[in-house]
Amino acid sequence: EVQLVESGGGLVKPGGSLRLSCAASGFTFSGHTMNWVRQAPGKGLEWVASITVSSSYIFYADSVKGRFTISRDNANNLLFLQMSSLRAEDTARYYCARDISSGFTSAWYFDFWGQGALVTVSS
Amino acid sequence: EVVLTQSPATLSLSPGERATLSCRASQSLSIYLAWYQQKPGQAPRLLIYDASIRATGIPDRFSGSGSGTDFTLTISGLEPEDFAVYYCQQRRNWPPRLAFGGGTKVEIK
Repeated sequence: EVQLVESGGGLVKPGGSLRLSCAASGFTFSGHTMNWVRQAPGKGLEWVASITVSSSYIFYADSVKGRFTISRDNANNLLFLQMSSLRAEDTARYYCARDISSGFTSAWYFDFWGQGALVTVSS
Repeated sequence: EVVLTQSPATLSLSPGERATLSCRASQSLSIYLAWYQQKPGQAPRLLIYDASIRATGIPDRFSGSGSGTDFTLTISGLEPEDFAVYYCQQRRNWPPRLAFGGGTKVEIK
């Protein structure tokens, strides 16, 4: 069974930093592009970042570029999101999501999602 | 930047009725569009990708159509568990600039 479990969320002050983790199991983690998608309270979905299987390609939404860093550890089936210079508008639930395609091609659609980690940026 | 506009914002229907949801793109997407369902307190679930391909395990009452800039998600006969929020999502070829529409809430009339 595919499982994605996020951790590391919490309350942080504006300007602060936080690192989210996503532990993957039940599939060949190293064979899939992985993604972060967020959802502010009561709002819609917003793509945040993507990383391909060997970390060769990394993409960010303009809203987080230069502040967030996505990375992965294929040996331990882990995905990370390092967030810095956090703002109130970064308050959201952050979902880890798997690309539907396996191998060195990416479909850029998300077929499995974790339950999310809540990040609150407030003084 | 491709903008996705979903309509209507809210759809009020009764169980058994047909639901038709629209997603319009500001630029042509070819067929590169997906649909997701999200229920309160849950993560989104992939329903349709590449405009018309049902994801694994999705009932055949869900169907997708369209290409270019106009896309439709149809639910042929609403079941109680189908009342939820639906999002469309686009992908550009390269570099991927992924984005979601604002969502359509399907509520019980």
